[in-house]
Amino acid sequence: QVHLEQSGAEVKKSGASVTVSCRASGGTFSSYTVNWVRQAPGQGPEWIGRIIPLVGTVNYARKFQDKVTLTADKSTGTAYLELSSLRLEDTAIYYCARNLGSAIYLDVWGPGTLVTVSS
Amino acid sequence: DIQMTQSPSYLSASIGDRVTITCRASQDISNFLNWYQQKAGKAPKLLIYHASSLETGVPSRFSGRGSGTDFTFTISSLQPEDIATYYCQQYDNVTPDVTFGGGTKLDIK
Repeated sequence: QVHLEQSGAEVKKSGASVTVSCRASGGTFSSYTVNWVRQAPGQGPEWIGRIIPLVGTVNYARKFQDKVTLTADKSTGTAYLELSSLRLEDTAIYYCARNLGSAIYLDVWGPGTLVTVSS
Repeated sequence: DIQMTQSPSYLSASIGDRVTITCRASQDISNFLNWYQQKAGKAPKLLIYHASSLETGVPSRFSGRGSGTDFTFTISSLQPEDIATYYCQQYDNVTPDVTFGGGTKLDIK
């Protein structure tokens, strides 16, 4: 059974950057895609983008193209989400989640990382 | 961008009731529609994929149907552990793009 482990909660000032990590159990991504989803307080989930670690392909939702950088380290089985120029409205729980193949249904999720942005 | 309209946003029902949630896409998405359950303080959990396929380990009281623009999610007999918020999610694997519905918060009457 695959598990995704995420880094701990972060508190950042407005304008700063933050990096959230997502490590696959066993230290390998195998052949799957890592998606990132955020959920602001009291809101529904919002897809940020995805990375296919084995080939390095990255896709971003249009809204996040200038906000987010997705990377992955195949050797450690860890994916990273970097958020830049943080604003108060970036306060949210950030999840990594897996999908297999071309169909984007997210069958394994990390526990989430709370990022709080303060002024 | 494809918009997903989910209704109702809130639903109160009794144990044993049949519960139905609908999701409408702003354009034809074939069967590229999934359903998730999210309990308080937890990550979403996949219940249904490809509009009607039950994820492994999910109880058979959960079901989904539909194609094109109109989809439904049904709990055949509501159980206390089903209290949660439910989300539909569409995807386009060509762009790619993913959109979630606004959610349905389900409560026990």
